Amino acid sequence: NAGVTQTPKFRVLKTGQSMTLLCAQDMNHEYMYWYRQDPGMGLRLIHYSVGEGTTAKGEVPDGYNVSRLKKQNFLLGLESAAPSQTSVYFCASRLTGAASYEQYFGPGTRLTVT
Amino acid sequence: QQQVKQSPQSLIVQKGGISIINCAYENTAFDYFPWYQQFPGKGPALLIAIRPDVSEKKEGRFTISFNKSAKQFSLHIMDSQPGDSATYFCAASPNSGGSNYKLTFGKGTLLTVNP
Repeated sequence: NAGVTQTPKFRVLKTGQSMTLLCAQDMNHEYMYWYRQDPGMGLRLIHYSVGEGTTAKGEVPDGYNVSRLKKQNFLLGLESAAPSQTSVYFCASRLTGAASYEQYFGPGTRLTVT
Repeated sequence: QQQVKQSPQSLIVQKGGISIINCAYENTAFDYFPWYQQFPGKGPALLIAIRPDVSEKKEGRFTISFNKSAKQFSLHIMDSQPGDSATYFCAASPNSGGSNYKLTFGKGTLLTVNP
């Protein structure tokens, strides 16, 4: 049981380049989330998904797109990277319903945009 | 609008001491209050959580105290150890499927426990 995995672990982009971050979970969780973590800012929700084929905006969605074509995968895309998107990105997942609130986090992707 | 305010930003404690981190919230719809622990280079992991029907929850050396009327909750780490050195985040979530159980996080507290 790998839990939540993220690919890649590190990436350096030039301004204007695009990339996709992959999140995968093997816990059959319905809900998946993408966060960014910046020093002194905590974790801020970018986009989330409540099930396969669904996506919704979070607190800081601008400059990002997401897709959830398969239940186990949640992709985060940057179409034209900007230095302000330099951050550590975390994916999380959880079961549906009120039975269990816990979100399980991946190990993160450190992205630098120069 | 920051819905969960966490303090202090950083905390230094001696081994064996008590670490206390405080959080305050504004949204009265919140009814799940977890604390996450994050070690350098790792993702956050759930440490302990509380629902507002109790005022305190204890798991080993970690205790959450909850004050519903004041809209405040805190994490107490008893007998703090160097291995507790990490960043701690409080969070809150409404108990509503319509909210999609989204967590709102505090900004984090960097705890250093000196040996």
